[in-house]
Amino acid sequence: GQQLNQSPQSMFIQEGEDVSMNCTSSSIFNTWLWYKQDPGEGPVLLIALYKAGELTSNGRLTAQFGITRKDSFLNISASIPSDVGIYFCAGRHGSSNTGKLIFGQGTTLQVKP
Amino acid sequence: GAGVSQSPRYKVAKRGQDVALRCDPISGHVSLFWYQQALGQGPEFLTYFQNEAQLDKSGLPSDRFFAERPEGSVSTLKIQRTQQEDSAVYLCASKDRAPSQTGELFFGEGSRLTVL
Repeated sequence: GQQLNQSPQSMFIQEGEDVSMNCTSSSIFNTWLWYKQDPGEGPVLLIALYKAGELTSNGRLTAQFGITRKDSFLNISASIPSDVGIYFCAGRHGSSNTGKLIFGQGTTLQVKP
Repeated sequence: GAGVSQSPRYKVAKRGQDVALRCDPISGHVSLFWYQQALGQGPEFLTYFQNEAQLDKSGLPSDRFFAERPEGSVSTLKIQRTQQEDSAVYLCASKDRAPSQTGELFFGEGSRLTVL
């Protein structure tokens, strides 16, 4: 099935560092979402973006909906050990009235204390 | 309940067996989605319901996969004659509005199926 192109695939950083990951698509989305998934758990919504150009923050997390509607990025500032996990971007097509999401392959984040 | 509940959490099946996975959505949630997540991949859409109506089943991989939500609440995903490639985590998610309306999904913890 179709998936978004998410990068990097994995990151290993020092506690306190900032993190940036992004997602691109060949098609336009009208919604971009960022989820975090811990081992053995379901994805948990971090940030939702509904408008091209929108920049939204949730604590140390900041995400942007690209102007072209084909990309989005997520930044995490001052990382801490509990940020460890897999981060997924997800998009919803503008032409879709189904509400179903298309997910990226995930970015695995590891934080060294 | 407080969240989306799925059972069983883990299921090991021999190839050829039938399995049934249950999802209890958040009480009152109208929309219910099933996703399949293979190891190391993002979730992929299988099917969704608005109340008891299955409005899209285009993501079901084969006719061995069947989902139902007869009373618009609990849903069951059934896989007949399981194959090794069916091994994955099956995630259920619900939303309090119709699929096309704004509002985001709440995911359950998933049911991990291993087919030997």
